[in-house]
Amino acid sequence: AQRVTQPEKLLSVFKGAPVELKCNYSYSGSPELFWYVQYSRQRLQLLLRHISRESIKGFTADLNKGETSFHLKKPFAQEEDSAMYYCALKGAGSYQLTFGKGTKLSVIP
Amino acid sequence: KAGVTQTPRYLIKTRGQQVTLSCSPISGHRSVSWYQQTPGQGLQFLFEYFSETQRNKGNFPGRFSGRQFSNSRSEMNVSTLELGDSALYLCASSASTGGAGELFFGEGSRLTVL
Repeated sequence: AQRVTQPEKLLSVFKGAPVELKCNYSYSGSPELFWYVQYSRQRLQLLLRHISRESIKGFTADLNKGETSFHLKKPFAQEEDSAMYYCALKGAGSYQLTFGKGTKLSVIP
Repeated sequence: KAGVTQTPRYLIKTRGQQVTLSCSPISGHRSVSWYQQTPGQGLQFLFEYFSETQRNKGNFPGRFSGRQFSNSRSEMNVSTLELGDSALYLCASSASTGGAGELFFGEGSRLTVL
């Protein structure tokens, strides 16, 4: 069975402070990991995927297979980063995403 | 390009009734997935369709069913509604033949069962 855990329901940081949204997963094979984001009154959308190894809106995430983690990081939080963030996993040969329950990030001005 | 369109956006039903939700994917996307979102369980996978074939089904009772048409539009149906079926139902389409990964989500259909 595959599982995604986001331990924090809510994370509040001050503008300009570093942000780390935690994601741990349970999967026996080699997964694909994603971060999705939902801004207020907008649709859920892809933020980044581990295979791309790119930085989007200043966010990066590294897949750590040893620790089975895929934490999302940004060195300096901005107010516009306030949103709901979901970590998601796709298993090999699977046609579905397994989502974590999400972390609400609140950036305090 | 128009995004994923879901109809209706809001609906209220009573226990025992049935409901049909519709989803029009982004033009050219052949994979359509459905997810149920609730405050307690979060986002849970319902099923995925590709070229009119259901390739994957989540752990939901048989009351939940779906289909995809030749133009890639999809519908899902829930029969004999229960109070616990109240949720936001999200449809997502993908250009990938792998069916997941970069999903483009609709705004959802919010179902309230009384």
